[in-house]
Amino acid sequence: KAGVTQTPRYLIKTRGQQVTLSCSPISGHRSVSWYQQTPGQGLQFLFEYFSETQRNKGNFPGRFSGRQFSNSRSEMNVSTLELGDSALYLCASSLAVDSFMETQYFGPGTRLLVL
Amino acid sequence: GNSVTQMEGPVTLSEEAFLTINCTYTATGYPSLFWYVQYPGEGLQLLLKATKADDKGSNKGFEATYRKETTSFHLEKGSVQVSDSAVYFCARGATNKLIFGTGTLLAVQP
Repeated sequence: KAGVTQTPRYLIKTRGQQVTLSCSPISGHRSVSWYQQTPGQGLQFLFEYFSETQRNKGNFPGRFSGRQFSNSRSEMNVSTLELGDSALYLCASSLAVDSFMETQYFGPGTRLLVL
Repeated sequence: GNSVTQMEGPVTLSEEAFLTINCTYTATGYPSLFWYVQYPGEGLQLLLKATKADDKGSNKGFEATYRKETTSFHLEKGSVQVSDSAVYFCARGATNKLIFGTGTLLAVQP
C-alpha cells in the first residue's frame, strides 16, 4: 500500500506570496492532519480534516487554511507569507476510528523557504 | 503548556551502548502513546506504540512500556547502531491530533 505523499517536496517563495501544499493520504484513510515543524517551536499541530470537515484547529493565524476533498486528499494554503513561515510542513493520515487511539502515518514533508 | 516532556539532547553514544530516552506525559484518561523517529531530510516514521497501561511497544530492537503510575513511556534499546542516529519524538494521542515532545537527537559513533 502506498504511503502518504506530499507535493511539492521543496518550495521557495518570497514574503507576501501565497502557497498551496498538497497531501494524498494512505488509501482508505479518511483523516488528514497537518503539522508545522521548525527548529524553534518543534512540531505544532495546524489542523485536522475528516470527511471534508475541519474537526480541530491549532493556534495559528487565519493566514493558514486548509481543505479536504471527497477523495480524502487535502491541501493547505498559507497566504501573505512571512519569513517565520519557513518550515517543514508535514501531513499525516489515519483511519480516524478513535481519535485518542489513532496512529498517524506521516508523509515526507514539504520544505518551505520564505525569502 | 506542552503535555509531553522529553529528555533533552543531544545524546551521544558509542555503537553497542544501551540507550534510554525519557518521556513523561500529562493527560486525562489513557491516550495512546507513540515514539516516532525522523532521519535527516525525512518525515516522521512510527517506531512503536502502546494503547493501554502496562502495554509494551517494540520494534527493531526498541522498546517502551506504558507506565500509568509514573505517566512515563521511556524508549530503550539494548545495543544501538550507527544507523539509529536520528531524532526521536515521543507523542500522545489527543482529540483528533498528536501532541509531541521536543525531540531528542541521538548520535551513535562507530
